[in-house]
Amino acid sequence: GAGVSQSPSNKVTEKGKDVELRCDPISGHTALYWYRQSLGQGLEFLIYFQGNSAPDKSGLPSDRFSAERTGGSVSTLTIQRTQQEDSAVYLCASSLVPRGDTQYFGPGTRLTVL
Amino acid sequence: DAKTTQPTSMDCAEGRAANLPCNHSTISGNEYVYWYRQIHSQGPQYIIHGLKNNETNEMASLIITEDRKSSTLILPHATLRDTAVYYCIVRTISGNTPLVFGKGTRLSVIA
Repeated sequence: GAGVSQSPSNKVTEKGKDVELRCDPISGHTALYWYRQSLGQGLEFLIYFQGNSAPDKSGLPSDRFSAERTGGSVSTLTIQRTQQEDSAVYLCASSLVPRGDTQYFGPGTRLTVL
Repeated sequence: DAKTTQPTSMDCAEGRAANLPCNHSTISGNEYVYWYRQIHSQGPQYIIHGLKNNETNEMASLIITEDRKSSTLILPHATLRDTAVYYCIVRTISGNTPLVFGKGTRLSVIA
């Protein structure tokens, strides 16, 4: 079946612009996670959704970052007034159920802020 | 912080078994050992996980020591496509926890 998909695959934007990144989880997966991976760095957790609610937003680096999930499916990560340090690969993962279940990752969106 | 320690890099000849070690000496009784890998420019790929028994699937085998303080991921017949960064992750089974990635082991499979 289809895996996790993300769009766009690449995004180049200018400093100060807003961007939206989209994640389509595996059908039926109730839990959804956003991570990011900066050049040469490890993956860091951003936010977790259970259904449409986000019980853990502890990884969001600033109030310029927000995310929502609608219909228990698609999620959008929004970065306002982008900065050069926001340049990274943004990865989405989903799991069938939240508790300790295996997470499956999408291919990521590579964001470059000029 | 990651609760695991892995070698920074390893080489393996194509066709041979790749044995990737991981130390997790502070693992708790309710924590699984997960392995993921990340091939260049792709998202992480799930490989295998286990609690205390050895596990095998179509991709790999996972050997966990009896005291659970270390484990080894075995790729039985490594190919060039197995070149990737391999992450060993300890994760609780009871919470809605994100994965905490360390720096992993960069495995290079050499022809």
